[in-house]
Amino acid sequence: NAGVMQNPRHLVRRRGQEARLRCSPMKGHSHVYWYRQLPEEGLKFMVYLQKENIIDESGMPKERFSAEFPKEGPSILRIQQVVRGDSAAYFCASSTWRRDSYYEQYFGPGTRLTVT
Amino acid sequence: AQTVTQSQPEMSVQEAETVTLSCTYDTSENNYYLFWYKQPPSRQMILVIRQEAYKQQNATENRFSVNFQKAAKSFSLKISDSQLGDTAMYFCAFTSGTYKYIFGTGTRLKVLA
Repeated sequence: NAGVMQNPRHLVRRRGQEARLRCSPMKGHSHVYWYRQLPEEGLKFMVYLQKENIIDESGMPKERFSAEFPKEGPSILRIQQVVRGDSAAYFCASSTWRRDSYYEQYFGPGTRLTVT
Repeated sequence: AQTVTQSQPEMSVQEAETVTLSCTYDTSENNYYLFWYKQPPSRQMILVIRQEAYKQQNATENRFSVNFQKAAKSFSLKISDSQLGDTAMYFCAFTSGTYKYIFGTGTRLKVLA
């Protein structure tokens, strides 16, 4: 059973370009979460999606960031007009429905975004 | 607000010895879940151990065990018989049963040969 997959693993963008990060959840998982890890910090929640729905985007910057999880295909985190402060590792996690009173999340390997 | 604090940015331990990593948290919830994750240089987040707050018994996974003190809101990780492969960042995390995981800032552990 393949785990959560993210690509690319490394992404370099110049300031002002767009970054697209992809996440394929584990088989059978319909809930996807994105977290951001800034240098020397822990992971911080950005957004929670189910198929075709954004459930909670309270952790996502209001501008330039968007996320989607279409009916078919991977979840996409999109960052427009990237700035140096967007340089970070972006992790995706997935889960099934609520089980054992919490959402057990499985993490992908992350995408390291570097903005030059 | 719920918070997780790891007060030890870096630690080191000799191979085969025991080390304890500290974590405290703050919440007004009565039922919640605590985790320790390992992040090696590959950056993959690996679940090491999980503790349900309603369970009084401390969780154990092979060489890894926790000391869960609910009243003190403390959740430390003990690694016994440390191995070189244990070298990594270790993150303490919390969820109160919603989908948001809250992470501490991590402890960088180095196991010395």
